[in-house]
Amino acid sequence: EVQLEQSGAELKKPGESLKISCKASGYSFTTYWIAWVRQKPGKGLEWMGVIYPGDSDTTYSPSFQGQVTISADKSTSTAYLQWSSLKASDTAMYYCARHHWSNQWLAPFDPWGQGTLVTVSS
Amino acid sequence: EIVMTQSPATLSVSLGERATLSCRASQSVSSSLAWYQQKPGQAPRLLIYSASTRTTGLPARFSGSGSGTEFTLTISSLQSEDFAIYYCQQYNKWPRTFGQGTKVEIK
Repeated sequence: EVQLEQSGAELKKPGESLKISCKASGYSFTTYWIAWVRQKPGKGLEWMGVIYPGDSDTTYSPSFQGQVTISADKSTSTAYLQWSSLKASDTAMYYCARHHWSNQWLAPFDPWGQGTLVTVSS
Repeated sequence: EIVMTQSPATLSVSLGERATLSCRASQSVSSSLAWYQQKPGQAPRLLIYSASTRTTGLPARFSGSGSGTEFTLTISSLQSEDFAIYYCQQYNKWPRTFGQGTKVEIK
């Protein structure tokens, strides 16, 4: 079974750093793009960026370029999303999601991880 | 950036009735259009891709249509488990973009 298991909820203070994870299982990690999606409380879905774990090729949404870093570790089949200095406005649920087809950058997202809630508050 | 606009924002429907959700793209996305369902406290779930292809196991009451800039998701006979928020998404151009969602609620 294809699964994406995300790390647990985080409570951080403004200015702190954070790295959340998305562990993949049940498929070839290196041949499917993985995306990150933000959902602020009560709001819609925002695509943040995507990584191809095979060669770590990464593309960011202009809205998130320079604000976050997406990475992947092939040895552990895990993708990461990290911040160097969190802001209160980063409070949201963050989902990882795999592209539906291998080696296809034109693809919908399926499956999705269960989400990681990040709360940034002083 | 391609802007995806969904209408209506909220759709009130009775059990067994038909629901029609619309999604418009600000420029052509060909057939690279997906529909997702999100229930409270859950991650989104892919329903339809390539504008009209149902995912494995999705009931036939769900159907998608359209191409270019105009798309429709139809639920032919609403069941209790279908009350949720539905998002469209284009995956034709970077950055990928979602519509703002249509909430399907019980009338």
